[in-house]
Amino acid sequence: DVKVTQSSRYLVKRTGEKVFLECVQDMDHENMFWYRQDPGLGLRLIYFSYDVKMKEKGDIPEGYSVSREKKERFSLILESASTNQTSMYLCASSVTGTGRTDTQYFGPGTRLTVL
Amino acid sequence: SQKIEQNSEALNIQEGKTATLTCNYTNYSPAYLQWYRQDPGRGPVFLLLIRENEKEKRKERLKVTFDTTLKQSLFHITASQPADSATYLCALMGGGFKTIFGAGTRLFVKA
Repeated sequence: DVKVTQSSRYLVKRTGEKVFLECVQDMDHENMFWYRQDPGLGLRLIYFSYDVKMKEKGDIPEGYSVSREKKERFSLILESASTNQTSMYLCASSVTGTGRTDTQYFGPGTRLTVL
Repeated sequence: SQKIEQNSEALNIQEGKTATLTCNYTNYSPAYLQWYRQDPGRGPVFLLLIRENEKEKRKERLKVTFDTTLKQSLFHITASQPADSATYLCALMGGGFKTIFGAGTRLFVKA
């Protein structure tokens, strides 16, 4: 079974703090994603990476950055946390295989509260 | 802009009945459409994928239809059980790496 783990289930930070969210997958997937999920808005893509050291902006990259130094690990960084970044953050991975169906495997999520 | 619409109102049905959830999209020509299940406090879990040239896909008690003319997918759970209670998300993929997710529909199955 594919396993995607996230460093924290719950996190509380203060406005202005730098926040690191870590994601690790154990299935050698090429693609990794960071989403945030807010009520009524669904999943919104922040950043994705299709290879080590490669990254692409998603729909809402402002206020975030990412790092992918190793294939299995994808980090999301909030440079200076703000209250409007309070949300559920979900990491996912997928493999680009035959047919490129790109089924995504999600981690359990990190619920971040910024005070 | 690309848009996915799922019924934001929760769907309440009686155990044993068929649940039908709807996913409509605009300004998009997806190559694939997927359905995911999400339980409270958890990440989504993949259920089914249907390609643009397929009309219907089945897996056990689940059935998905895909009408590219109507730009709509229907997701059916037959003989529903209380354990089927969850939020169901549809997701569109048009090739490349980006997937667009709907906001989901909450399903409650009463015993």
